[in-house]
Amino acid sequence: QKEVEQNSGPLSVPEGAIASLNCTYSDRGSQSFFWYRQYSGKSPELIMSIYSNGDKEDGRFTAQLNQASQYVSLLIRDSQPSDSATYLCAPCPPRAAGNKLTFGGGTRVLVKP
Amino acid sequence: EAQVTQNPRYLITVTGKKLTVTCSQNMNHEYMSWYRQDPGLGLRQIYYSMNVEVTDKGDVPEGYKVSRKEKRNFPLILESPSPNQTSLYFCASSPLNDRVNSPLHFGNGTRLTVT
Repeated sequence: QKEVEQNSGPLSVPEGAIASLNCTYSDRGSQSFFWYRQYSGKSPELIMSIYSNGDKEDGRFTAQLNQASQYVSLLIRDSQPSDSATYLCAPCPPRAAGNKLTFGGGTRVLVKP
Repeated sequence: EAQVTQNPRYLITVTGKKLTVTCSQNMNHEYMSWYRQDPGLGLRQIYYSMNVEVTDKGDVPEGYKVSRKEKRNFPLILESPSPNQTSLYFCASSPLNDRVNSPLHFGNGTRLTVT
């Protein structure tokens, strides 16, 4: 089993709709979770951090964490063409293991006008 | 401006010719790391450093070296590059927080081609 699993997509959504992205992870010790957005050929940029179970909202983005099910998701509301990118999920182990992020393969999102 | 700076952005070289990719951060971060990104394989960690003179292997360290003589710099060295090291490379840094993990800040990437 991979450490971090994401559906590679592409996830095609119409402009204005909600994009729902999922991520499962295998390390039960993971305590921090990050969502990065990466445009083709560019570097990953952080869009959400979540450190505890439940939901966290930031603008059009909502991250949901369920540690019991080892599952984290990202919702993008009112999707825009500029949201077309690959979204990377990155759980982080406890501090004792350093700050290593293990990235999922990413989900490619296409927002169609 | 807070940033991680990598150089060069693009590099084409030949097998066996030693090269260095530089990485510098101006945020006083303790933690620095190198990743490579390949289609279908995602981002994989090569080496990381938790502070000056403290480095360790990541998941794919073979064929690479690093050094951390100063806090701000973390160069990646390929002593004898081979075509399978053709990839997109990212340097990243973060503070080391006692309580929670901090997200990584990435450089703009270096696209390396080894022929």
